[in-house]
This record gives sequence, C-alpha cells and structure tokens, in this order.
Amino acid sequence: GQNIDQPTEMTATEGAIVQINCTYQTSGFNGLFWYQQHAGEAPTFLSYNVLDGLEEKGRFSSFLSRSKGYSYLLLKELQMKDSASYLCAVRDSNYQLIWGAGTKLIIKP
Amino acid sequence: IAGITQAPTSQILAAGRRMTLRCTQDMRHNAMYWYRQDLGLGLRLIHYSNTAGTTGKGEVPDGYSVSRANTDDFPLTLASAVPSQTSVYFCASSDTGGSGANVLTFGAGSRLTVL
Repeated sequence: GQNIDQPTEMTATEGAIVQINCTYQTSGFNGLFWYQQHAGEAPTFLSYNVLDGLEEKGRFSSFLSRSKGYSYLLLKELQMKDSASYLCAVRDSNYQLIWGAGTKLIIKP
Repeated sequence: IAGITQAPTSQILAAGRRMTLRCTQDMRHNAMYWYRQDLGLGLRLIHYSNTAGTTGKGEVPDGYSVSRANTDDFPLTLASAVPSQTSVYFCASSDTGGSGANVLTFGAGSRLTVL
C-alpha cells in the first residue's frame, strides 16, 4: 500500500531551526508537496519538489531524495506564528495526492 | 478576494438526514476536490472533478455524491448521514488536472457533526 510517514509532534524554541522529516512509499512519484495548516484553518501551500535537492524559499527550505523516498522541511529563525501542522503529500503515478497525517509543530518562547 | 467559499462553516446533523456542503471558487480552476480530515489521519480524497461535467471517485467515496454543472461550483451531498461522516470537510481547487505543480487552494472547511 501507499504510505507517508511524518512525526506526530515536534517542539522547538523561538529563533531556532527545526527539521521535519517525511518518508514515503508510493506507487510512482510525480512530486512532493509541503503544506502548512494552522489550527482550525485551511492548509496553505509551502513548497514543491520534483527533482532531488534543496529548494529554498525565505526561512523555509525543502529537500528531496527520490532514491531514499525521503524529504524534509527546514524552518529557520522560528517565529511563534510558525506553530502549526505541516503536511507532507506525494503525487503518485496516477497523479493522485497521498497525504501524511501531519506534524504538529509547537514553538516555545 | 479570489478563493474558495464553503458553506456552511459548521453544522450539526441528525443521522439519516440529507446534507449538501456547498463549494464555490472564483479562480476559474479546472479541477476541484473534496477531502475529509480526521484526527490522526491524512487528508482523504472523497471525490474530484478534473473539469466541468466530469467527476471521479477518490479514496473514500461511499455515502457521498458530487456534481459539477459548471466551472465554479462543486457541491458535496451526503444522502443519508451517518455518525462516521463526522469530520472536517475541505473543498479545494487547482488550475490543472494532474500535470505541473498542481498546487491546491483550499476553502476554509466545513465542520460536520452527525449525531
């Protein structure tokens, strides 16, 4: 079956760096997405990786290794507003999105 | 402001009742989707539509139906609600059916409780 694994919850300190990992086993691969979801709100798009390597976008970076079925989302200079759930999703060979359960990130002052 | 509007925001419903969740987008996106989100689980696709006039079944379609009469509207109907359909429902859209980045734009969600 298809599977996306992410840690359920992580805690980090304001101003620090945190890395949220995502491993996947899917039927084919056509891209990996990271979305941010604040409590009670809709998910919003953060990043998209289809080739191996690092994509940097301001304080957020996303890395992909297709051979390892692995991605991470790196958040730098953490702010309190970064407290949210981070959702990893992979598009499979049928172009359907398979979603992980999300990682709840708690930022402490 | 361009985006997706969902209604109602929340609803408590008696089991066995019929319910339609409304979704309207003003971005002229071709593809639209309905997901449900339950605690501890990833978003699960219920139904989707790649273009007006066509619909398809997702991962968990049983008990739900959709229609896509035009580009903007994609209502989700529960013909006879059951408690297991208690969830948060998200409507989403994207500007392609399956190629490219296919970034999803989500509505604010509809929280449905079936008693």
